[in-house]
Amino acid sequence: GQQLNQSPQSMFIQEGEDVSMNCTSSSIFNTWLWYKQEPGEGPVLLIALYKAGELTSNGRLTAQFGITRKDSFLNISASIPSDVGIYFCAGMDSNYQLIWGAGTKLIIKP
Amino acid sequence: SQTIHQWPATLVQPVGSPLSLECTVEGTSNPNLYWYRQAAGRGLQLLFYSVGIGQISSEVPQNLSASRPQDRQFILSSKKLLLSDSGFYLCAWSMGTWGTGELFFGEGSRLTVL
Repeated sequence: GQQLNQSPQSMFIQEGEDVSMNCTSSSIFNTWLWYKQEPGEGPVLLIALYKAGELTSNGRLTAQFGITRKDSFLNISASIPSDVGIYFCAGMDSNYQLIWGAGTKLIIKP
Repeated sequence: SQTIHQWPATLVQPVGSPLSLECTVEGTSNPNLYWYRQAAGRGLQLLFYSVGIGQISSEVPQNLSASRPQDRQFILSSKKLLLSDSGFYLCAWSMGTWGTGELFFGEGSRLTVL
């Protein structure tokens, strides 16, 4: 079946640093989405991307839909403690199947 | 505004016992409904989805089942739990068209099977 390769698996960063994570696939997707999950809660949608090349921001978060439609990245600028959590990418294919990445765990060093 | 609730939040069950997790959505009509499972430190695995009352699609064969007795109610069940059923179960809904991928998740139910 289709798979998304999400990297890195985890990140240890200092408060104030910028963060970058990405997802790649061998398949084409029509939609890319980024979700954040905090401990003990369900994921929450951060950004949805619907067009190849689209670049969308949500506060300190910026995500892009790759021009090949096979990848997407999420950047977080000037990280703060409340950014900790697991970030998931998800891609929707032409059959409306939503494929999920394995997640990137963001940890901020004290 | 739309809300989604699932319960119980936490449960510990012995192997072989039954299971019932319930999820309800408010503030929308004819939503698509989903059950996902998340093993510790892992990604999301789609178990079931439903596009309408009584319509259930299963993604992964297992000893779990789902039912949708009402438009905004989705239930996950098992007659006999296995150790491997332990995990974090998430209910989600989306608008009644397939195209967006925008899901709204409940708070989750953590199941431990002993």
